[in-house]
Amino acid sequence: GESVGLHLPTLSVQEGDNSIINCAYSNSASDYFIWYKQESGKGPQFIIDIRSNMDKRQGQRVTVLLNKTVKHLSLQIAATQPGDSAVYFCAENNNAGNMLTFGGGTRLMVKP
Amino acid sequence: ETGVTQSPTHLIKTRGQQVTLRCSSQSGHNTVSWYQQALGQGPQFIFQYYREEENGRGNFPPRFSGLQFPNYSSELNVNALELDDSALYLCASSLPAGDNSPLHFGNGTRLTVT
Repeated sequence: GESVGLHLPTLSVQEGDNSIINCAYSNSASDYFIWYKQESGKGPQFIIDIRSNMDKRQGQRVTVLLNKTVKHLSLQIAATQPGDSAVYFCAENNNAGNMLTFGGGTRLMVKP
Repeated sequence: ETGVTQSPTHLIKTRGQQVTLRCSSQSGHNTVSWYQQALGQGPQFIFQYYREEENGRGNFPPRFSGLQFPNYSSELNVNALELDDSALYLCASSLPAGDNSPLHFGNGTRLTVT
């Protein structure tokens, strides 16, 4: 079936370095994508979203890139900080009802 | 602005029992969605409520049911609990369905079925 998946289950980076978390999606009809951050004991926290008519969107220290040709999504975090340590999920929406399909998550570990 | 709140935070039930989980949506949001998150996995869509009616449903059996109230708060009910129902149940609210707006999640209810 249609699914959203991630290439790497765990990513370890040095504090201050940039982080890149990748995500592959399989449903070409998806038109809205979101990245969430989930810390232990908490619900997913919205980071940034992008619509399919865009290929790049920037926020504060984060950038999302969308490559529709290869159905690939990435989250870039600049100057990674210890507080960025969490599990990151990409999610896609392929209907008008805002019902999301989540990937399995990538754990980001930031070394001081 | 009040975020999404869920109650209780933790719950332990016995197989075969019934459970009700509650959610208050973020102010200004009239659409509520429920997700199940098993340990080590991403959230799985259960269903969505808009204008007090079920607006979409994922691959969950009928023993998972819900309600939405006029103040947009919501309940998730699970009957005949099974061990595999043990998970974190997340509620999320958003602007009207169809508006591709980000879901805002609560911190969930951790349900353990023994």
